[in-house]
Amino acid sequence: EVQLLESGGDLVQPGGSLRLSCAASGFTFSSYAMTWVRQAPGKGLQWVSTISGSGGTTFYEDSVKGRFTISRDNSKNTMYLQMNSLRDEDTAVYYCAGIASGANWFDPWGQGTLVTVSS
Amino acid sequence: SYVLTQPPSVSVAPGKTAKITCGGNNIESKTVHWYQQKPGQAPVLVIYYDDDRPSGIPERFSGSNSGNTATLTISRVEAGDEADYFCQVWDSTADHYVFGSGTMLTVL
Repeated sequence: EVQLLESGGDLVQPGGSLRLSCAASGFTFSSYAMTWVRQAPGKGLQWVSTISGSGGTTFYEDSVKGRFTISRDNSKNTMYLQMNSLRDEDTAVYYCAGIASGANWFDPWGQGTLVTVSS
Repeated sequence: SYVLTQPPSVSVAPGKTAKITCGGNNIESKTVHWYQQKPGQAPVLVIYYDDDRPSGIPERFSGSNSGNTATLTISRVEAGDEADYFCQVWDSTADHYVFGSGTMLTVL
């Protein structure tokens, strides 16, 4: 069964740091680019960052560039998002999702992990 | 940056056809994908490559893309189709993925 499981969400103060993880199973992880998408409470979906299957190429949404770092460990079938200098507006459910080779859509998706930035 | 515009809400009676639009500059030059999200759940891909359906998605779901508008069509709407729907493209100019603002589908 294809599965993505996020973890690491928590309550953190503004300016703080957090690392999210996304553990994959049921598919060839290294063949998939992986992405983070977030959803603020009551709002729409916002793409955050994407990493290629090898990990050699990364993309970031402008508001997180320089603060967030995406990475992956293909030996552990796991992707990460290191979030630094967190702001109130980073509060959201963070979903990880896969991008099959040659595709530019997101499937499968994890169930999400909640990050709350508040003092 | 590339912008996708969706109506905030669409209402339809059961058994009727719902059309949800996604507007973007020359969107027909891009491939459009659609996601369904029910309350408290993760999004689910329902249409990719403008008009292809993943396995397990009913044939009632279809898509089209022409000019400046892509459309998700849901035929014979059921109560279980009530959800938020988001369109999405890849903006190769900016190396960014872009989502539309989302449309809440209400089944009357």
